[in-house]
Amino acid sequence: QKEVEQNSGPLSVPEGAIASLNCTYSDRGSQSFFWYRQYSGKSPELIMFIYSNGDKEDGRFTAQLNKASQYVSLLIRDSQPSDSATYLCAVNNAGNMLTFGGGTRLMVKP
Amino acid sequence: DAGITQSPRHKVTETGTPVTLRCHQTENHRYMYWYRQDPGHGLRLIHYSYGVKDTDKGEVSDGYSVSRSKTEDFLLTLESATSSQTSVYFCAISETEGNNYGYTFGSGTRLTVV
Repeated sequence: QKEVEQNSGPLSVPEGAIASLNCTYSDRGSQSFFWYRQYSGKSPELIMFIYSNGDKEDGRFTAQLNKASQYVSLLIRDSQPSDSATYLCAVNNAGNMLTFGGGTRLMVKP
Repeated sequence: DAGITQSPRHKVTETGTPVTLRCHQTENHRYMYWYRQDPGHGLRLIHYSYGVKDTDKGEVSDGYSVSRSKTEDFLLTLESATSSQTSVYFCAISETEGNNYGYTFGSGTRLTVV
């Protein structure tokens, strides 16, 4: 069973701080990695994707990938209360389906 | 959720009855997926489709069937609903098989089986 693991949280950070969300995966053949944000009662929304080792930045968001360690992370700089949501990590598997982690709930306190 | 619509948004049904959920897309994407989301389990793939009349099972397909007679519509049927199928169901679409751009999700259907 291919797995994607995330700490369920909640991860609580003060407004303006950096939030660091982590994800590990078991399938060494995975090539594509995604971060989704899901507000309570809403559907998942794609916010970042990364394919290559290293960092990828988009505004306040940075995705980091380390394939050797099978680890992908999402950093949110200058966290805002509106960033409070559940963040889902997704990884493609051998069948090219996406496998999702259980999500990390982030709480940004004013 | 522009381009992908799920119906109904909410449904309450009785144990043993058949239920059909509909996913409609206007993006002309080839790939469509049905997931269920439950606390403690995250998103789990039920069935997916890679074209008209081409479907396959996901990891939690027991008790579910699907049909895709047109590119734009992907139907999920619970043949005889059980309380364990109470969940939030999401439809998703993708343009490429390699998922290079991830999935786009519909708004979801909250199904309660009593």
